Amino acid sequence: EPEVTQTPSHQVTQMGQEVILRCVPISNHLYFYWYRQILGQKVEFLVSFYNNEISEKSEIFDDQFSVERPDGSNFTLKIRSTKLEDSAMYFCASTPRGKGTDTQYFGPGTRLTVL
Amino acid sequence: AQSVTQLDSQVPVFEEAPVELRCNYSSSVSVYLFWYVQYPNQGLQLLLKYLSGSTLVKGINGFEAEFNKSQTSFHLRKPSVHISDTAEYFCAVQAGTALIFGKGTTLSVSS
Repeated sequence: EPEVTQTPSHQVTQMGQEVILRCVPISNHLYFYWYRQILGQKVEFLVSFYNNEISEKSEIFDDQFSVERPDGSNFTLKIRSTKLEDSAMYFCASTPRGKGTDTQYFGPGTRLTVL
Repeated sequence: AQSVTQLDSQVPVFEEAPVELRCNYSSSVSVYLFWYVQYPNQGLQLLLKYLSGSTLVKGINGFEAEFNKSQTSFHLRKPSVHISDTAEYFCAVQAGTALIFGKGTTLSVSS
């Protein structure tokens, strides 16, 4: 069964550094998403992406964040200047069409630790 | 704004006992509701979803949930749990393209 994959599984960075988290969505899916989960808290929506544009974003997704589909398979989340509070598990997800009836398929996550 | 409340942060049960994980939602429009499970060190996996129609929804691994519009609830149930059901369970509601999750319920099954 096709899966969403994410790399790396764990990233450690210094405060102020830029990080790029990578995701490979399921191949025939058109909508892509990023979520994060701070330790002990709920999973929070960051952004949805379709046709090389942001479809929707939350208030968490400020100017420090950006997303990109650099090629036909990867979907990336960049954090320009990391803060301690960016430490979290980041999940990528994808859906075939982006409709509310579609199941969002999640990757295993990248644990980001900001020191 | 749509939101989800999971009423129990932890639910300990013995193997083969029944379990109910509670979820209440807040929405002013028609809802799509989901239950996801997260096993240790893994991503979120869909258990079941309610889109419309029958209020009793059956999912994978013997789980089911009942949509109750009058009580704005979508509780998850399993008649007999296994050790392997130990995991974190998340209720979610669709809002636009986003899923809005509850805080999660840790189900711990012991022998």
